Amino acid sequence: AQKITQTQPGMFVQEKEAVTLDCTYDTSDQSYGLFWYKQPSSGEMIFLIYQGSYDEQNATEGRYSLNFQKARKSANLVISASQLGDSAMYFCAMREGRGSQGNLIFGKGTKLSVKP
Amino acid sequence: DAGITQSPRYKITETGRQVTLMCHQTWSHSYMFWYRQDLGHGLRLIYYSAAADITDKGEVPDGYVVSRSKTENFPLTLESATRSQTSVYFCASKLLAADTQYFGPGTRLTVL
Repeated sequence: AQKITQTQPGMFVQEKEAVTLDCTYDTSDQSYGLFWYKQPSSGEMIFLIYQGSYDEQNATEGRYSLNFQKARKSANLVISASQLGDSAMYFCAMREGRGSQGNLIFGKGTKLSVKP
Repeated sequence: DAGITQSPRYKITETGRQVTLMCHQTWSHSYMFWYRQDLGHGLRLIYYSAAADITDKGEVPDGYVVSRSKTENFPLTLESATRSQTSVYFCASKLLAADTQYFGPGTRLTVL
């Protein structure tokens, strides 16, 4: 069974609008972390945002926010005021277990295209 | 500030040849990781290392060998390359007690 599910293979958004990229996860651990990475067409993996399972508030980093709903096991990425440079693949990932251990499990990604 | 680098960035080889992909980080991160990225699979962990001389298998280790004699280097060797190992390979690193992994630029490997 997939541990990280990204159900949107591709999405379009109009420039300056907000967009939500979906991510659901499956774990029986109480301590885990959730991440979003961006992969532009140039290929590098860029860390965007992190949410710990015990964090009570949703994480925010500039125009990125993580909508964490623990009971639903979802960790959606919200990008506000989309820009053309936001066009990229976006990967959700989970780290099971406590901080110093545990490796990342990635979803298959969502391709976001921002239209001018 | 070099961060994490990978070499070569592109490599074409033939089936059966040995290939070594290099990863070097300047952050003194304890943990280092190797992933492969294939269409339809996202990124999958091949091997990781918690410190020099400590390595462990990930999800897809078959056909790969790693070593870590120095903290800053984590080479990945394909002892006898196969076509199924055609992929993009990413190295990553993180601090001992941190959560976030930082990735290198990737190596695109083609096995003919």
